[in-house]
Amino acid sequence: QVQLQESGPGLVKPSQTLSLTCTVSGGSISSGSYYWSWIRQPAGKGLEWIGRIYTSGSTNYNPSLKSRVTISVDTSKNQFSLKLSSVTAADTAVYYCARLDFGGNSEFDCWGQGTLVTVSS
Amino acid sequence: DIQMTQSPSSLSASVGDRVTITCRASQSISSYLNWYQHKPGKAPKLLIYAASSLQSGVPSRFSGSGSGTDFTLTISSLQPEDFATYYCQQSYSTPFTFGPGTKVDIK
Repeated sequence: QVQLQESGPGLVKPSQTLSLTCTVSGGSISSGSYYWSWIRQPAGKGLEWIGRIYTSGSTNYNPSLKSRVTISVDTSKNQFSLKLSSVTAADTAVYYCARLDFGGNSEFDCWGQGTLVTVSS
Repeated sequence: DIQMTQSPSSLSASVGDRVTITCRASQSISSYLNWYQHKPGKAPKLLIYAASSLQSGVPSRFSGSGSGTDFTLTISSLQPEDFATYYCQQSYSTPFTFGPGTKVDIK
């Protein structure tokens, strides 16, 4: 059974870069018809899709964040990562990594528990 | 972007009640609609994909219907473990978007 776990700093200063890693266990990140995604949820607000990556390195980003986002993958470590630059308080949120099954309906069928990132000086 | 709305935003119900949540898309998304359950501090859980297909391991009291712009999630007999927030999500086109959520709590 595949499990995802987010890791990274819980506090980031304004204007700096937020960096998170998602470690995939219980299966290979390279197997199957999956994209690997990041999603966030500010406190009291809804879920926002940030972007996705395939193990080939192909990416798609939400246009609302595209200028500041980079998602990368390291298949040797079974991990994928998120970098969000020039952060502000508006980027404070719980960040989730998730597996996107594009073999059928493109649903997020497996999620990490999420990690809270606070942007504050 | 495709906008998703949900109604109601919250509801109070009792164990054993039948609960219906509605999701509407701003344009036709065929059957590219998924439903998730989210409890505080936990990973969101996929319940329904492709509008009406039950994810493996999800109890049969959950069901989904609809196509085009209007969709419904139904819980036939609410159980104590079902008190949570429910989100719909369209997978028709990127950027993928979610509804604002429906919080189901105990009456």
